[in-house]
Amino acid sequence: AQRVTQPEKLLSVFKGAPVELKCNYSYSGSPELFWYVQYSRQRLQLLLRHISRESIKGFTADLNKGETSFHLKKPFAQEEDSAMYYCALDNYGQNFVFGPGTRLSVLP
Amino acid sequence: NAGVTQTPKFRVLKTGQSMTLLCAQDMNHEYMYWYRQDPGMGLRLIHYSVGEGTTAKGEVPDGYNVSRLKKQNFLLGLESAAPSQTSVYFCASRPGTGEFYGYTFGSGTRLTVV
Repeated sequence: AQRVTQPEKLLSVFKGAPVELKCNYSYSGSPELFWYVQYSRQRLQLLLRHISRESIKGFTADLNKGETSFHLKKPFAQEEDSAMYYCALDNYGQNFVFGPGTRLSVLP
Repeated sequence: NAGVTQTPKFRVLKTGQSMTLLCAQDMNHEYMYWYRQDPGMGLRLIHYSVGEGTTAKGEVPDGYNVSRLKKQNFLLGLESAAPSQTSVYFCASRPGTGEFYGYTFGSGTRLTVV
């Protein structure tokens, strides 16, 4: 079955430190993966999609098919990055399967 | 351009009561979804629709019904609310399938069943 795992429920880092939010998936076929961010009590917003290889707010994510991973990285965390982050997998074009989420807390 | 609008934003129900959550999108998107968000469980798909007049069950459909009579609206109904349905409900839409099409989310409905 299609599945997305995010092993860390909470990740705390200090401002200016590098951050990596882990995402692993299980999928038969060529995966299409996304990262979403949810700031406190707001709607989820699209942060990244793997196909675009873009960098948004300093975040990047690389798809590693060998390790079935799509980890989200940022070299220097900012306090405004504190939020809930969800990794999502497109389930054969029908719907998205979301991971359980990782809460990132950037400490001053 | 309002995007995806959910009403109501908050609601408290008594066990056994019924209610309907409305999701409206003005982007002419084909696909619409209802998810529930619970702590530690992420977002779980309740029902979805791939076009006007069509609906399909997701991961946790029990206790919910949906309708998509108009392309722009996707309604989620709770026939007899239970405390286990206390959650934040998010509606989302997307124009089609493919790697460029992410979801656009509504702002959520916070439902408490007492």
